[in-house]
Amino acid sequence: DAGVIQSPRHEVTEMGQEVTLRCKPISGHNSLFWYRQTMMRGLELLIYFNNNVPIDDSGMPEDRFSAKMPNASFSTLKIQPSEPRDSAVYFCASSPGLGGYTFGSGTRLTVV
Amino acid sequence: KNEVEQSPQNLTAQEGEFITINCSYSVGISALHWLQQHPGGGIVSLFMLSSGKKKHGRLIATINIQEKHSSLHITASHPRDSAVYICAVRSTGNQFYFGTGTSLTVIP
Repeated sequence: DAGVIQSPRHEVTEMGQEVTLRCKPISGHNSLFWYRQTMMRGLELLIYFNNNVPIDDSGMPEDRFSAKMPNASFSTLKIQPSEPRDSAVYFCASSPGLGGYTFGSGTRLTVV
Repeated sequence: KNEVEQSPQNLTAQEGEFITINCSYSVGISALHWLQQHPGGGIVSLFMLSSGKKKHGRLIATINIQEKHSSLHITASHPRDSAVYICAVRSTGNQFYFGTGTSLTVIP
């Protein structure tokens, strides 16, 4: 198993542009999590899905952020329009439910 | 006030030393996680606990539900253990809270 796959690894974009981050969870894992990590705020949970259904999106900072999970093998996190304060490392993780998490390598987003 | 507090924030140890990192939380939890983040940025889930103790190699994690406290121990520490260790809890209300991490440096 290749683990949790995130793309792109790095993204540099201009303020105002739309950014889409992608995640492929481990096959068979029924929970998927999107996290954001910054120096100032540390690790934060943005949203998580169980069986492709969003369970808690209270961590999504504002309406500019949206996440979808159209099927069990793919999820996206979209920021539109992006702002410099969105610059962070975004991690995706998946879990088989009662077990621990497997994290992707992260996407380092820089908004200039 | 943070729902999850870790101590110490920074820790430097000599190779071979026994290391303890502490985590206290203020909410009712269904599970507590210890995460390890290496200097390269990747995050690894070390343990998920809801009671008692778990051991994996030189790492031991304990939790005391009554005292709302968990510890992560590293025996015979090694420079490759140098990383940031993050405590995270899933509350009984299915909220997730994270500690700010403990930065560990093990010197050869």
